[in-house]
Amino acid sequence: GIQVEQSPPDLILQEGANSTLRCNFSDSVNNLQWFHQNPWGQLINLFYIPSGTKQNGRLSATTVATERYSLLYISSSQTTDSGVYFCAVTHYKLSFGAGTTVTVRA
Amino acid sequence: EAGVAQSPRYKIIEKRQSVAFWCNPISGHATLYWYQQILGQGPKLLIQFQNNGVVDDSQLPKDRFSAERLKGVDSTLKIQPAKLEDSAVYLCASSLYSYNEQFFGPGTRLTVL
Repeated sequence: GIQVEQSPPDLILQEGANSTLRCNFSDSVNNLQWFHQNPWGQLINLFYIPSGTKQNGRLSATTVATERYSLLYISSSQTTDSGVYFCAVTHYKLSFGAGTTVTVRA
Repeated sequence: EAGVAQSPRYKIIEKRQSVAFWCNPISGHATLYWYQQILGQGPKLLIQFQNNGVVDDSQLPKDRFSAERLKGVDSTLKIQPAKLEDSAVYLCASSLYSYNEQFFGPGTRLTVL
């Protein structure tokens, strides 16, 4: 099946810092989603982004489908950004990466 | 618009017992999914329904897990009998059609003792 690799596995930030999370995938995909899993386990949709660039407030994402990667940018991080960020791609079915655990310290 | 609903939110059972989870998808969504998320890992697809038909159940342990989606709306996932390794969060998701954006419910946290 398709391989989805996320980096880094863990990220510790000081409040106000910027960061970039990366997602690499091993085959062509129908779509790509970024999720934030909060401490209560709820998966929150961030972006549905099979290609191109999207922005939502302090978050933005870019997917370069031809090169099989996607980037999630967090700017001016806040403590509420803490949690696990998952990249998931659809290649016949939705396959998740292992996630990046982000901790934002005040 | 109401999101994906799941119940119960938490369940504790002993091994070899049975358990059932319920999911109601977003209204109008034809595709419904059940995922298993083990602590520290990403969710893994167990079964996908398109309306009331099964599209993919290749990773469903069919000797103990079963799922149905009667009338193409809500769905139940059952485990019988449960094993210790079934301890996980069970997530339900829905989308308008296959390959569309998926939306997840709050999940059911199962602990098997």
